[in-house]
Amino acid sequence: DADVTQTPRNRITKTGKRIMLECSQTKGHDRMYWYRQDPGLGLRLIYYSFDVKDINKGEISDGYSVSRQAQAKFSLSLESAIPNQTALYFCATSGGTSGSPDTQYFGPGTRLTVL
Amino acid sequence: QKEVEQNSGPLSVPEGAIASLNCTYSDRGSQSFFWYRQYSGKSPELIMSIYSNGDKEDGRFTAQLNKASQYVSLLIRDSQPSDSATYLCAPTSGAGSYQLTFGKGTKLSVIP
Repeated sequence: DADVTQTPRNRITKTGKRIMLECSQTKGHDRMYWYRQDPGLGLRLIYYSFDVKDINKGEISDGYSVSRQAQAKFSLSLESAIPNQTALYFCATSGGTSGSPDTQYFGPGTRLTVL
Repeated sequence: QKEVEQNSGPLSVPEGAIASLNCTYSDRGSQSFFWYRQYSGKSPELIMSIYSNGDKEDGRFTAQLNKASQYVSLLIRDSQPSDSATYLCAPTSGAGSYQLTFGKGTKLSVIP
């Protein structure tokens, strides 16, 4: 089983709709991240969380909100989707007691299309 | 604004050759450096991490770090067609930070 999972994997929605992307992990990591990736712009950080009570804005948080429901779950919401939020979204985790604590491990991604 | 610069490519090398990927970064506080490989439409996959000046080798991959020059590179020896992907450079965002700043990536094409 994958250590970091994302649902849904693909989503097509309409402008103005509310949508939630979910991320779950079994790695036991404390830190979780949401990125979006656009062609030519690379990976950009939307929000990150270092534990359940710690939520921080990233580089491009406008139009997004997050919820850390548990150590293992971190959800990203688009309250009113717009076409320029069409992108590939990745969840990542880091932490743990073995290996490098700042290495990030990525989920498989969610391809979101806003019409 | 913390910047990570990579040549976007595409970088084309023949099979069996050495591919050299370069990255410069602006944040002198960066302490950890990562190289990720990303196939089209897939998620980034960790290739190498490096923390100290010098070289670090892992199989066909060698990472090189020069903090004074704010430069990190990745060498791929005996390049294979399966190495064809985009390679992302990602230093941590400042001293003590767990955030990564990603470069836009270099697209590598290994020609059989």
